[in-house]
Amino acid sequence: AQKITQTQPGMFVQEKEAVTLDCTYDTSDQSYGLFWYKQPSSGEMIFLIYQGSYDEQNATEGRYSLNFQKARKSANLVISASQLGDSAMYFCAMREGRWAGTALIFGKGTTLSVSS
Amino acid sequence: DAGITQSPRHKVTETGTPVTLRCHQTENHRYMYWYRQDPGHGLRLIHYSYGVKDTDKGEVSDGYSVSRSKTEDFLLTLESATSSQTSVYFCAISESWDGQFFGPGTRLTVL
Repeated sequence: AQKITQTQPGMFVQEKEAVTLDCTYDTSDQSYGLFWYKQPSSGEMIFLIYQGSYDEQNATEGRYSLNFQKARKSANLVISASQLGDSAMYFCAMREGRWAGTALIFGKGTTLSVSS
Repeated sequence: DAGITQSPRHKVTETGTPVTLRCHQTENHRYMYWYRQDPGHGLRLIHYSYGVKDTDKGEVSDGYSVSRSKTEDFLLTLESATSSQTSVYFCAISESWDGQFFGPGTRLTVL
């Protein structure tokens, strides 16, 4: 079974609209962390936002917020007021356990296209 | 941005030749990782290191070896490259629970 599932291969949105990118996860650990990365066409992996399993508040970083629903095991990324520069591939990832050295498990990604 | 460089950035090689990719960091982070990215698979872990000379295998380690003789350098070696190892390779570093930062990637083509 996949540990990280991103069900939307592609999403299309107009500038200034909000968009939600879905991510569900599967773990039996009580301690875990959830990450979102952006990969533009230039190829680099850009860290966007992190949510810990014990964090009570949803994480926010500028126009990015993580809608964390623990009981549903979902960690959706919300981008408010989309911009053309948001067009990219977005990856959800999870780190299980509490050891800082644990590698991330990635979903297959969602391609976001923002049009004017 | 985290100080992570990868070399080379692009490489074309022939089947059967050895290839070494280098990851260099200036952040003094303890943990280092090699992932590969292929269409439809996201990123998958090849090997990781939790300190100098301490390494372990990841999900897709067959055909790869690694070495870490200094904190700042993590080398990935393909002993005898195959076409299935054509991919984009990312190095990443981590020191704390809540972050992992990636290098710019190396695009490897095995003909």
